[in-house]
Amino acid sequence: DIQMTQSPSSLSASVGDRVTITCQASQDISNYLNWYQQKPGKAPKLLIYDASNLETGVPSRFSGSGSGTDFTFTISSLQPEDIATYYCQHYGNLRFTFGPGTKVDIK
Amino acid sequence: QVQLIQSGAEVKKPGASVKVSCKASGNTFTSYYIHWVRQAPGQGLEWMGIINPSGGSTTYAQKVQGRITMTSDTSTSTVYMELSSLRSEDTAVYYCARGGAVPHTGGAFDIWGQGTMVTVSS
Repeated sequence: DIQMTQSPSSLSASVGDRVTITCQASQDISNYLNWYQQKPGKAPKLLIYDASNLETGVPSRFSGSGSGTDFTFTISSLQPEDIATYYCQHYGNLRFTFGPGTKVDIK
Repeated sequence: QVQLIQSGAEVKKPGASVKVSCKASGNTFTSYYIHWVRQAPGQGLEWMGIINPSGGSTTYAQKVQGRITMTSDTSTSTVYMELSSLRSEDTAVYYCARGGAVPHTGGAFDIWGQGTMVTVSS
């Protein structure tokens, strides 16, 4: 099975900072990679699909890039409402694997 | 706007079974796959399986294979997830989520239910 890793596991940043999270797959997954935001006590929310496509209604400060085994998720200017845990997710061959998550806090 | 509404919290004893429902609003119930994802307290997300609400075909994660059954009722636009032989490690919030448009099994989970807390305790 394909394994997904994320780094860092947590981070603290100031409002307005640029925040970058990386996700690595154990083998080539093309662009079959999604990103979700989960706030405490809430269901996850889809932000980015197929590595770089912004879900409708999601603010443009969120973006994703990458293909193959290495992917990046970026918040261009961190806002207080972005405090959450972010998960990458691979899909393929009827397997759907989430990364361990990155918790983002305000410094 | 499609919504997925799940049944309420459950408390079960070890060895028992639990059945969680996920009702879809709107008229696209049979057009999209439904997934089940769980999250143990303080832990990450774990995919459990996928169902085609129209034909009822399923694929389950290896970890719960043999204990999980997903079914659908097209007359009520409801999908069910039953987990048997419950143990303490099954204590989690269980989510249903809408996946790709049939017949494309891949894709992102764009709509989620509100979650159902299942507690397994003696």
